[in-house]
Amino acid sequence: SQTIHQWPATLVQPVGSPLSLECTVEGTSNPNLYWYRQAAGRGLQLLFYSVGIGQISSEVPQNLSASRPQDRQFILSSKKLLLSDSGFYLCACYRGQDEKLFFGSGTQLSVL
Amino acid sequence: QKEVEQNSGPLSVPEGAIASLNCTYSDRVSQSFFWYRQYSGKSPELIMSIYSNGDKEDGRFTAQLNKASQYVSLLIRDSQPSDSATYLCAVYNYGQNFVFGPGTRLSVLP
Repeated sequence: SQTIHQWPATLVQPVGSPLSLECTVEGTSNPNLYWYRQAAGRGLQLLFYSVGIGQISSEVPQNLSASRPQDRQFILSSKKLLLSDSGFYLCACYRGQDEKLFFGSGTQLSVL
Repeated sequence: QKEVEQNSGPLSVPEGAIASLNCTYSDRVSQSFFWYRQYSGKSPELIMSIYSNGDKEDGRFTAQLNKASQYVSLLIRDSQPSDSATYLCAVYNYGQNFVFGPGTRLSVLP
């Protein structure tokens, strides 16, 4: 079964600073990968998904971007963070054989 | 726009009781349905999946699906304080993306 690694677990960044969150997946190849954000007390908002290297689809226009430089690596970035970027960021991997979605442990981002 | 709706709660039940969590979805052709449990500050954990009409049981959990009514539910028998969490309903169609509901917060009172 696949394992999803996400880091860091928590991050405090000032407004206007850059961001890089990394997600790597083990135990599967050519996975569909996703970035979600969850604001405090709210549901999951899909930010980006990727079906392969270099293939990124954006669901919500904002100051965030994503990249997939390797098959099992998915990166979420920002050049300048906003206060509204605070939230719980989750990387997820889709397992095709049973159509299930699994989440990494998440990064709690606070923008101050 | 495809939507998944859940009561936000909190739903409070006494320890040992049955907790019933409900979810409705708007896309009639949805094929796969999932329940996730999320503890505060943690990532969602998949606990049940259901693909066909009827009931599916796994330990203390039973998922129920009624595609005609576009309704899926989760029953938790013999609720324990450790079941206190937010429960997310998710709907999936092959080739598309998962759509999540806002979650229902469950509180099991000792």
